[in-house]
Amino acid sequence: AQTVTQSQPEMSVQEAETVTLSCTYDTSESDYYLFWYKQPPSRQMILVIRQEAYKQQNATENRFSVNFQKAAKSFSLKISDSQLGDAAMYFCAYRSTSGSEKLVFGKGMKLTVNP
Amino acid sequence: GAGVSQTPSNKVTEKGKYVELRCDPISGHTALYWYRQSLGQGPEFLIYFQGTGAADDSGLPNDRFFAVRPEGSVSTLKIQRTERGDSAVYLCASRPGTGNTGELFFGEGSRLTVL
Repeated sequence: AQTVTQSQPEMSVQEAETVTLSCTYDTSESDYYLFWYKQPPSRQMILVIRQEAYKQQNATENRFSVNFQKAAKSFSLKISDSQLGDAAMYFCAYRSTSGSEKLVFGKGMKLTVNP
Repeated sequence: GAGVSQTPSNKVTEKGKYVELRCDPISGHTALYWYRQSLGQGPEFLIYFQGTGAADDSGLPNDRFFAVRPEGSVSTLKIQRTERGDSAVYLCASRPGTGNTGELFFGEGSRLTVL
């Protein structure tokens, strides 16, 4: 079974600075999706960025980018120019491209942004 | 609707009672998921519907949990003989049936507290 590990339960960053959130996963599959979701106090999970494993190019979405290392099974999220609104829980998630449709989530990491 | 709607937002019940949680997905989304998020944890998969049928119910913890989606739109998660360990946020998510990028659209969840 696939597992997702987020080893840092909490991080903080100064406004306008850059922060990197780490995630590792375990799978025997060669093709899959990886996601970073953000969960503010409203509880609604919001997609931040998505990576398809067959693509070598790292995904980027405005201030958010990933460092996808397939051989190392590592998927870190970099947030540039951090804003107060970035403060939230961040979850890394895995989904197979075949078979199971379910997302497997890590335990999450709480990001605090200091003004 | 504009987003995934879940009711009630909060539910407090007594041990042994029956509870229903409702999810109204984004209009036209054929796939619907239920997740459970315990305090300090990432969401855990419960069940996935494609249309009216449960395509994967492998995450339901025991036979006290049941979910239906009779017309392929609204879904109800039913919990019988509630236990204190059932206390959690229950998240619902949906996605379109075609153009499957793996992204799920989540509601704000229903927080269940069992006293």
